[in-house]
Amino acid sequence: AQSVTQLDSQVPVFEEAPVELRCNYSSSVSVYLFWYVQYPNQGLQLLLKYLSGSTLVKGINGFEAEFNKSQTSFHLRKPSVHISDTAEYFCAVSAAGGGNKLTFGTGTQLKVEL
Amino acid sequence: DARVTQTPRHKVTEMGQEVTMRCQPILGHNTVFWYRQTMMQGLELLAYFRNRAPLDDSGMPKDRFSAEMPDATLATLKIQPSEPRDSAVYFCASGFIAGSRDQPQHFGDGTRLSIL
Repeated sequence: AQSVTQLDSQVPVFEEAPVELRCNYSSSVSVYLFWYVQYPNQGLQLLLKYLSGSTLVKGINGFEAEFNKSQTSFHLRKPSVHISDTAEYFCAVSAAGGGNKLTFGTGTQLKVEL
Repeated sequence: DARVTQTPRHKVTEMGQEVTMRCQPILGHNTVFWYRQTMMQGLELLAYFRNRAPLDDSGMPKDRFSAEMPDATLATLKIQPSEPRDSAVYFCASGFIAGSRDQPQHFGDGTRLSIL
């Protein structure tokens, strides 16, 4: 089985500042990793995914994440945030070839302030 | 853009009533998931289907919940009888699995359920 830990439940940041949202996972098998974003009253939207290959993954809205196998991490970063990035961010993991069954973290609320 | 469509978006009903939530997955997707989101538990997987067959419903209370896929364009989640503790946002997601390749899930906008 897999598990995901998002240590920060809330991250406040000023507009145009950089941000990093942390995600650590646990698994005894190879994994695929995902970041989803949820805006108020909406479903989850895929930001980016790591399946294989380059460990630096670029996604939509200027976000990127780096897969670090030795540290079992998949932290999400953006060099300069905008007010519109205010949302909840979920890290998720699935077993590679495991049929797409996702295990989600508890989410991190990113609040961008002026 | 293709979307997962869920109906209704909001449902308020009294305890004991039957609730049916519907989901139209993205055309061509062969896997459908049902999730429940609450403040206390976060996102929980209730059940999922592959090619309309149920693969795992271990996350679902069996005594009152049921999930079906009558055809490839419709998935349903029913609660009978409903209880206040079922109040949550229920999400449907669909994806495509081909061999060992997993494709990301696409989520609908959810059904916000309130049981009084």
